[in-house]
Amino acid sequence: QVLLVQSGAEVKKPGASVKVSCKTSGYTLGDSFVHWVRQAPGQGLEWMGIIYISRGTAIKAPRFEGRVSMTTDSSTGTVYLELNSLGSEDTAVYYCAREKYAGNQGTWPLHYYGLDVWGQGTTVTVSS
Amino acid sequence: DIEMTQSPSSLSASVGDSVTITCRASQNIKTALNWYQSKPGKAPKALIYGAYLLQNGVPSRFSAGGSGTEFTLNISSLQSDDSATYFCQQSYGRPPFTFGPGTKVQIK
Repeated sequence: QVLLVQSGAEVKKPGASVKVSCKTSGYTLGDSFVHWVRQAPGQGLEWMGIIYISRGTAIKAPRFEGRVSMTTDSSTGTVYLELNSLGSEDTAVYYCAREKYAGNQGTWPLHYYGLDVWGQGTTVTVSS
Repeated sequence: DIEMTQSPSSLSASVGDSVTITCRASQNIKTALNWYQSKPGKAPKALIYGAYLLQNGVPSRFSAGGSGTEFTLNISSLQSDDSATYFCQQSYGRPPFTFGPGTKVQIK
């Protein structure tokens, strides 16, 4: 069974950093990508970025560039999201989600299968 | 970046009805379009990938189609459990892979 299990809720002060973990199991991590998505209270889904496991490369949405780090520990099958310089607008539920590898289109991975398995979410509250 | 829009922003329908949600992309994304169902307090659930293909375990009441810049999600024989917000997401080419703003479906 494919599972993504995230770390617990966090409460942080403005200006601090938070690191959320996403432990994967039930499949080969290297045969996938992991996306990070967040949902602020009462708001829609916001795509934050993707980590290409086999390439060790992460691409973030432009608004998060410079403030977000996405890393992988292949030995434990765990993916991490770190968000720096937190503000109240970062209060949200953060999700990791898997996308299966579907081959390449030219030299770039083809994104075909969608985000088929999601973690349970991690609530991050930023408050002074 | 590719922008996604959805219409309507919300709708209300009765059990047994059929509803259609439209998603539009700001440029041609071929069939690189996914649909998700989101309920309060729960992780989003994948419904559709590749514009019209059902994810494993998704009931056949859900169907979808479209290509290029216009896409639809159809829910037939609406059930009370379908009360949720539905999001489209484009996954064309290289990131970022943006979501639409969502459509809230309420059951009368």
